[in-house]
Amino acid sequence: QKEVEQDPGPLSVPEGAIVSLNCTYSNSAFQYFMWYRQYSRKGPELLMYTYSSGNKEDGRFTAQVDKSSKYISLFIRDSQPSDSATYLCAMNSGGYQKVTFGTGTKLQVIP
Amino acid sequence: DAGVIQSPRHEVTEMGQEVTLRCKPISGHDYLFWYRQTMMRGLELLIYFNNNVPIDDSGMPEDRFSAKMPNASFSTLKIQPSEPRDSAVYFCASSNRGLAGYNEQFFGPGTRLTVL
Repeated sequence: QKEVEQDPGPLSVPEGAIVSLNCTYSNSAFQYFMWYRQYSRKGPELLMYTYSSGNKEDGRFTAQVDKSSKYISLFIRDSQPSDSATYLCAMNSGGYQKVTFGTGTKLQVIP
Repeated sequence: DAGVIQSPRHEVTEMGQEVTLRCKPISGHDYLFWYRQTMMRGLELLIYFNNNVPIDDSGMPEDRFSAKMPNASFSTLKIQPSEPRDSAVYFCASSNRGLAGYNEQFFGPGTRLTVL
């Protein structure tokens, strides 16, 4: 079983919809939780990060972490065609340990 | 800054040939990572360096894979001999151990390798 599980999708939604992307993990030592966005034929770029449990909001994006359930989410409000990309969750245990990535969920926002 | 630079961007080779991928990290970054990305397995960490020293190579799949970092501004990933199952996109990423506890990695554009 992988340390980080992520539904690969693809997920197709109409413009303006609320999108929910999720990951589960098994390593209770993980403390830092990140979301990377990867456009087609590009490298991933950090979108958001959260430390431990709780919520973090940045514009239309909200990251949630529930350590008790080992479950993290990324919500995108008012989704735009420019949000079409693959979203990878990532996590590590802090102290600058290596990062473990999910396989990514491919999102398509249809105008 | 130009960001992480990788070359070549595309590589097509035949089975059994040697392949060398190159990476120039962002200046001042002291960590360098090599990843492989496929549809089936996602993004897999192959090896990472800190201050040019290999720290963890447990992700290197076989002895056919080797990586070096002779100086702070250059790293190579070599596959010898290459096999069709090595076909993937290979990313190099770099990061800087700053005050933040999380590890923001800056990725290059990747090298798309096809082994026939």
